[in-house]
Amino acid sequence: EIVMTQSPATLSVSPGERATLSCRASQSVSSNLAWYQQKPGQAPRLLVYGASTRATGIPARFSGSGSGTEFTLTISSLQSEDFAVYYCQQYNYWYTFGQGTKLEIK
Amino acid sequence: QVQLQASGPGLVEPSQTLSLTCTVSGGSISSGGYYWSWIRQPAGKGLEWIGRIYASGGTNYHPSVNSRITVSIDTSKNQFSLRLGSVTAADTAVYYCARGGDMAMTAHFDYWGQGALVTVSS
Repeated sequence: EIVMTQSPATLSVSPGERATLSCRASQSVSSNLAWYQQKPGQAPRLLVYGASTRATGIPARFSGSGSGTEFTLTISSLQSEDFAVYYCQQYNYWYTFGQGTKLEIK
Repeated sequence: QVQLQASGPGLVEPSQTLSLTCTVSGGSISSGGYYWSWIRQPAGKGLEWIGRIYASGGTNYHPSVNSRITVSIDTSKNQFSLRLGSVTAADTAVYYCARGGDMAMTAHFDYWGQGALVTVSS
């Protein structure tokens, strides 16, 4: 099983600032990597797929990068609605998710 | 706009069978091009994919539940279902249904149901 490791577990950032979330795969997943946002009581919402392609309706402040084993999700200027838990997921070999990064207001 | 909605009993006794149904609207489940998956999330924890089905009926399951799980599809009702047998407290979770593409580069989950909380308790 491919293990996905996210860091940090919790990230405290002020509104308007930039947030950088990391995800590492235990073996190469090529660019078959997605990012999801989850708010309390809601289902995950697809943000980015193919490591860097924004899903439909996702604001341009969200950007993904990386390939192989190292990936990054950057939120350029945090809005109040962006504070949530973020998961990375590989779909190169079956499906596995990272443990999540909680983005909280500083 | 594709929508998925999971439904089923919220309480299941230990050793019994958990059963959930996902109803798909806004698109045909039999049109092809997609796998239909079940993903679960224990309270306060991460996401775990447990199984999927194709319109043709082909299935794949996570090894951790492989001996206990059955995913089926009813194209006439535009639904797919999950049955998980011999449940224990460790199976208590929110269960999500979701759609993913059937090619390596499109296999991300683009549509999710709202989730169904299932508690295993006597």
